[in-house]
Amino acid sequence: QKEVEQNSGPLSVPEGAIASLNCTYSDRVSQSFFWYRQYSGKSPELIMSIYSNGDKEDGRFTAQLNKASQYVSLLIRDSQPSDSATYLCAVNDRGSTLGRLYFGRGTQLTVWP
Amino acid sequence: DADVTQTPRNRITKTGKRIMLECSQTKGHDRMYWYRQDPGLGLRLIYYSFDVKDINKGEISDGYSVSRQAQAKFSLSLESAIPNQTALYFCATSDPGYTDTQYFGPGTRLTVL
Repeated sequence: QKEVEQNSGPLSVPEGAIASLNCTYSDRVSQSFFWYRQYSGKSPELIMSIYSNGDKEDGRFTAQLNKASQYVSLLIRDSQPSDSATYLCAVNDRGSTLGRLYFGRGTQLTVWP
Repeated sequence: DADVTQTPRNRITKTGKRIMLECSQTKGHDRMYWYRQDPGLGLRLIYYSFDVKDINKGEISDGYSVSRQAQAKFSLSLESAIPNQTALYFCATSDPGYTDTQYFGPGTRLTVL
């Protein structure tokens, strides 16, 4: 069983601040890493994917990957109340369950005005 | 139109009833998945299928069965529903490429009384 751990939260930040979400994973062979955003009662929506060490920026979102430390993070700059949601970290398996994704339990983020 | 659709979107049923949840996709993906989500437990994989002839159990397949009728259709059945199967159910699809990115349907909220 692959383990994906996220800081449990909830995380609360003021509008305009930087929100930092963290995730660690157990499987060294994982090659694809994802952040999904999920609003209450809605389906997970892909917001970022990252495959190489380093940073990947998309608008206000930056994903950071460190494969040596088995760590992936998501930074949300200039946080907005509309960013309030649960963020799910997911990693793929390139081993015995090739093609599957393993999800963390999510971190609930609240951005207050 | 949505790429991944699920029917019904909401369902209330009684203990012991047989129920089927359906998933259809127009993304042309070979791989399809069924997850359930319970508060605090994250997404848990029930079954997945990498093509029409390939069906695999996930972590929590007991009490569930699936049918892959075509590349575009993947159904989940509860043979005899019980109250602890009350949850939010998601279908997802992915392309058998390097990244394993998954795309989710809108979900079915199932209540078993």
